[in-house]
This record gives sequence, structure tokens and C-alpha cells, in this order.
Amino acid sequence: NAGVMQNPRHLVRRRGQEARLRCSPMKGHSHVYWYRQLPEEGLKFMVYLQKENIIDESGMPKERFSAEFPKEGPSILRIQQVVRGDSAAYFCASSPGLGQGNQPQHFGDGTRLSIL
Amino acid sequence: DQQVKQNSPSLSVQEGRISILNCDYTNSMFDYFLWYKKYPAEGPTFLISISSIKDKNEDGRFTVFLNKSAKHLSLHIVPSQPGDSAVYFCAAVTGSGNTGKLIFGQGTTLQVKP
Repeated sequence: NAGVMQNPRHLVRRRGQEARLRCSPMKGHSHVYWYRQLPEEGLKFMVYLQKENIIDESGMPKERFSAEFPKEGPSILRIQQVVRGDSAAYFCASSPGLGQGNQPQHFGDGTRLSIL
Repeated sequence: DQQVKQNSPSLSVQEGRISILNCDYTNSMFDYFLWYKKYPAEGPTFLISISSIKDKNEDGRFTVFLNKSAKHLSLHIVPSQPGDSAVYFCAAVTGSGNTGKLIFGQGTTLQVKP
């Protein structure tokens, strides 16, 4: 399966711990997006990255959240000092270009983060 | 500010009939609109898209209609099948600039009854 791979699928953390979510884009895709879905809501954009560059982080909380997409390896979404409100499904998507309608973003199956 | 809205949380139709899912938007700068389908515990799967310069796009059983003056689009599924039961998300994207972020609606849960 050459789709978008996210791991872990489920992650449990206690308040104050750090959470690291990983995303390997589809082969040939150099653009990565992170979205968050809270219960009973739609997906909300967080950040858009290309290799070694953050292009748009307008949806990212200003504190505790960071993202990277290094030259080698997967994209990482990092949440420091997690709080209960961080409990959500985090989805990664990738695209070969700008992800417009003729190059749709392809999504992974998400990481479900639970904060105790 | 909810720029993309799906006002019907759920829809139930009989197998073989037409399913019509609706979506409204407020931002006239959107260039493309997309529909994604999502099963529980899986990621969204791309279904069909439409450019803002078109008013219809068809792919097999799926047709998307765009009414720019009303800022409204709809997804028609005909004939509906039980396997179509899922959550459907409408999304929009602006093509200008260097961002491809998708703005999603809240989703509509479709149930197709055998």
C-alpha cells in the first residue's frame, strides 16, 4: 500500500506529556498537510509543509504545537505539555503539487490522540 | 467563521434512489470544491471535485453541481448503494497564493438502507 502512512494509529498520553505524530506521504508527494478533527466536527487545517519548509501554519495553535518535514524521514507533528482539549483525530494528507482540485490531497487514516 | 457549511447532519435514503448532499459557502474566492467520503476509523477518501468555472462534473454514479450565484454546491449519488453509507465532507480551496489548505464543512452522515 503506497498510501499516506500515519503512526501510531492510537496514542494515549497523560496531561503534561509530549505527543509525537508521524506522517509518511505518498511516494512522489512533497507537500504535506496536517488537519485536526474534534468530535462531531469537520476537519480543521493546521499546517502545510514542503520539504524543510513551513508554508502555512495559520491553523496551528501558537503555543505547544510544532511541525516539521525534514529532508529525510517523515513529517512530525509535535504537541508539548498536552491538555485534555488536545484529544482529537489528527489527519495527515499529501499531494504532489498545490493540492488543488485536479491534484487532490490524499489522506492517511489518522492518529487518534487521547489525553488522560 | 464557518466558510463552508453542510446544514444537514444526516440523510437517509433507500437503496437505488438518489442521494443529494448539499453544501453552502461564503467565500467567493474559492477556486475548487471537493467532496470526500469518510468511513469510521479511516481517513477521508477523495470522491470528486469541480472547478469554480464549471457548473457540473460527473464521474460514474457521482455528479457535483455548482451554483456560484447562490454559493451552493451539491453532490448527487445515483443509484445509491448500501456501501455509500458514510460521512461526506464538502471542502473548498483557494488556488491563489502558495497554500493548498482545504476548508471543510461539518459533514453529512449518509445512510443507504437496503
